[in-house]
Amino acid sequence: EAGVAQSPRYKIIEKRQSVAFWCNPISGHATLYWYQQILGQGPKLLIQFQNNGVVDDSQLPKDRFSAERLKGVDSTLKIQPAKLEDSAVYLCASSPAGGNTIYFGEGSWLTVV
Amino acid sequence: AQSVTQPDIHITVSEGASLELRCNYSYGATPYLFWYVQSPGQGLQLLLKYFSGDTLVQGIKGFEAEFKRSQSSFNLRKPSVHWSDAAEYFCAVGAQTGANNLFFGTGTRLTVIP
Repeated sequence: EAGVAQSPRYKIIEKRQSVAFWCNPISGHATLYWYQQILGQGPKLLIQFQNNGVVDDSQLPKDRFSAERLKGVDSTLKIQPAKLEDSAVYLCASSPAGGNTIYFGEGSWLTVV
Repeated sequence: AQSVTQPDIHITVSEGASLELRCNYSYGATPYLFWYVQSPGQGLQLLLKYFSGDTLVQGIKGFEAEFKRSQSSFNLRKPSVHWSDAAEYFCAVGAQTGANNLFFGTGTRLTVIP
């Protein structure tokens, strides 16, 4: 079974530029998550989708971050404009409907210079 | 409010020695508990999880963890560490009801010396 796929794996951008990350969850998983992991910290939830609806986006900085999951499958996380403090690993994860185990992708590593 | 504390930022052990990584949680309801491992440049891999039942749970790679409700702890153990176990270890807590996202500790970095 294929795992959670993310791209790009690595991205370096200048501050005030924009960037987008893509995620394809495990097939059949209804719930999709985006976590932000700053160096030296544990992952922090940015947004959670159930199919194509948002369950929790309370920690998403909505002035610069946006995410969508239009067809209830893959998802895109966008940052515009980027700030230096956005340098982090962006982890996508998924879980089956009603399931409590979350499976993570390998992450997209963002450096903002 | 929910929180997870991993009091040890960095632990160094010799290969073949035993290992215990500490995790304490604060949660308003009965939690689900997880341990994940992250190797350099990689995502998070699930080691083991506790939902209910037997408080000693077995995971992959020879790891086990024990849930102690009275101490709000979920410590990870391994009897004999291998050099390949060097990584960052994260404890996480999730809800048994409602939105099942996870709250993570800050991690413990494990160094294994030969």
